[in-house]
Amino acid sequence: QVQLQESGPGLVKPSQTLSLTCTVSGGSISGGGYYWSWIRQHSGKGLEWMGYIYYSGSTYYNPSLEGLLTISVDTSKTQFSLRLSSVTAADTAVYYCARFSMTLGAMDVWGQGTTVTVSS
Amino acid sequence: EIVLTQSPATLSLSPGERATLSCRASQSVSRSLAWYQQKPGQAPRLLLDDASNRATGIPARFSGGGSGTDFTLTISSLEPEDFAVYYCQHRGNWPPLTFGGGTRVEIK
Repeated sequence: QVQLQESGPGLVKPSQTLSLTCTVSGGSISGGGYYWSWIRQHSGKGLEWMGYIYYSGSTYYNPSLEGLLTISVDTSKTQFSLRLSSVTAADTAVYYCARFSMTLGAMDVWGQGTTVTVSS
Repeated sequence: EIVLTQSPATLSLSPGERATLSCRASQSVSRSLAWYQQKPGQAPRLLLDDASNRATGIPARFSGGGSGTDFTLTISSLEPEDFAVYYCQHRGNWPPLTFGGGTRVEIK
């Protein structure tokens, strides 16, 4: 069964770029039918959809993050990645990667999440 | 932009009681609504898609209803493991994906 695992630094300095990778195991990222997604959650708050990418490279971003967020995919490594530039303390959150099923219209597989703190 | 409003923010109930959670959309979303459960320290888990289809492995005590702008998630008889936060989510045209603010179901 498909599993997702986030990886990346847990601490990022303000104004720098936050980079995370999600490794997909147990399945293909190139099969179509899914968008590969990033969602974050500030401490004690709700879920914020950040954006997602199709295996072909087509991307869709939350308008609130447009210009700051880049999502990319490496099908050969079955990975997709997030880069969030010019981070501030407000970007401190738990970051999840997830598989969005186009058939279900929902995210049916999630990573466990990784905590990123923005601090000097 | 479609906004999803969940109510109540917190629901205090006892095990065995029935829980009814609401998600209201700012405009019609047909039946394009999903529900998730999130326990502390865990990732969300998909419960329902298309407003009422239970995801794989989800117990029958979870049911969903509604269409258009008003949706409900019902837990027929709360088990101890059901005390958690529940989110609704819509997949639309733009923005592509929206979450509601969540409802916490806590033990009374």
